[in-house]
Amino acid sequence: EAGVTQSPTHLIKTRGQQATLRCSPISGHTSVYWYQQALGLGLQFLLWYDEGEERNRGNFPPRFSGRQFPNYSSELNVNALELEDSALYLCASSLATDTQYFGPGTRLTVL
Amino acid sequence: QKEVEQNSGPLSVPEGAIASLNCTYSDRVSQSFFWYRQYSGKSPELIMSIYSNGDKEDGRFTAQLNKASQYVSLLIRDSQPSDSATYLCAVNANGGSQGNLIFGKGTKLSVKP
Repeated sequence: EAGVTQSPTHLIKTRGQQATLRCSPISGHTSVYWYQQALGLGLQFLLWYDEGEERNRGNFPPRFSGRQFPNYSSELNVNALELEDSALYLCASSLATDTQYFGPGTRLTVL
Repeated sequence: QKEVEQNSGPLSVPEGAIASLNCTYSDRVSQSFFWYRQYSGKSPELIMSIYSNGDKEDGRFTAQLNKASQYVSLLIRDSQPSDSATYLCAVNANGGSQGNLIFGKGTKLSVKP
């Protein structure tokens, strides 16, 4: 069974640009979570989507947004990129709110 | 603010020894507890989940939970150099109603051959 997939693996942007990151959950999982892991920091919760709806968001500014599609895949958009947005962005999926399984991540670098 | 605390390490153990990793959490409502392993530059990989007080064993790994003390631990028996990684403790936020997990910053384990 395929795990959580994310694309792209790496993304390089400049300040002020927009970044779009994509995630496909494990088949049958309806919940998708996004986390940010900046260098030297722990995983910080960004967003939770379930059944196409945003259910909860972490303490991040509105320029971090996303959506979940009818096939449960998800997209994270980061607008007006800042240098401190450079991080590993991790997507996880779960069945309901049970155990979360992580994808390989997207490494975003903002220059 | 809900927190999960871990000793950052590094924790260094010889090959074949028992590695003991500890974690405390502040949210008494938490119901689900997880240990993830993260190799440098990689994503977290689930090792164990535990929901009830007591011990849960899976191969060389044993998770221990004490909700009264708000404490969860992970024991790794017969440690191998391949176990060298950062171990993340996570708890579900607000009993799971918020969906997300709250992570500790991780304990770096080094197993010396």
